[in-house]
Amino acid sequence: AQRVTQPEKLLSVFKGAPVELKCNYSYSGSPELFWYVQYSRQRLQLLLRHISRESIKGFTADLNKGETSFHLKKPFAQEEDSAMYYCALMWGNEKLTFGTGTRLTIIP
Amino acid sequence: GAGVSQSPRYKVAKRGQDVALRCDPISGHVSLFWYQQALGQGPEFLTYFQNEAQLDKSGLPSDRFFAERPEGSVSTLKIQRTQQEDSAVYLCASSFSRYEQFFGPGTRLTVL
Repeated sequence: AQRVTQPEKLLSVFKGAPVELKCNYSYSGSPELFWYVQYSRQRLQLLLRHISRESIKGFTADLNKGETSFHLKKPFAQEEDSAMYYCALMWGNEKLTFGTGTRLTIIP
Repeated sequence: GAGVSQSPRYKVAKRGQDVALRCDPISGHVSLFWYQQALGQGPEFLTYFQNEAQLDKSGLPSDRFFAERPEGSVSTLKIQRTQQEDSAVYLCASSFSRYEQFFGPGTRLTVL
């Protein structure tokens, strides 16, 4: 069965410090992975997808099939990065399986 | 442009009541999804439509849950005989490609 694990419910990082939000997945097929973000009082929105290999708002994520991981990284945290982050796996009819989320707080 | 809208935003129901939650997707989006998000959890898939066809309802937790999208646009999620464990935020999402789902603000359902 497919599963997404985000081991950290809460993560606090000082402004300017590097950020890494962990995500591990379990899936027997070819994985399609995403990071979604929810800023305070806003709706859930796509941050980035592994297939695009892009950097959005300074964030990158590399799919590591050997370690079944898709960690989200940013070299220098900014205050506006404070939000709830969800890692998600797409499978079947485009449905998403989400992790439980990590609340990131950037300390000024 | 207008995003996905959901109504009502908040719903309080007494145990045993029926509720109906509405989703207006982005115009032209073929795919529509419903998710349930319990407190402190990530969204969990309920059901999926492509146009008016319900292609996947494997996530519906019981036969008290029913969803429809009769004209391939607006969708309604109905919960019959609500129970306390149905209390959650219900999210609707629509998409035109498999690479991004656009989410609505959600409906927070509280069952007393």
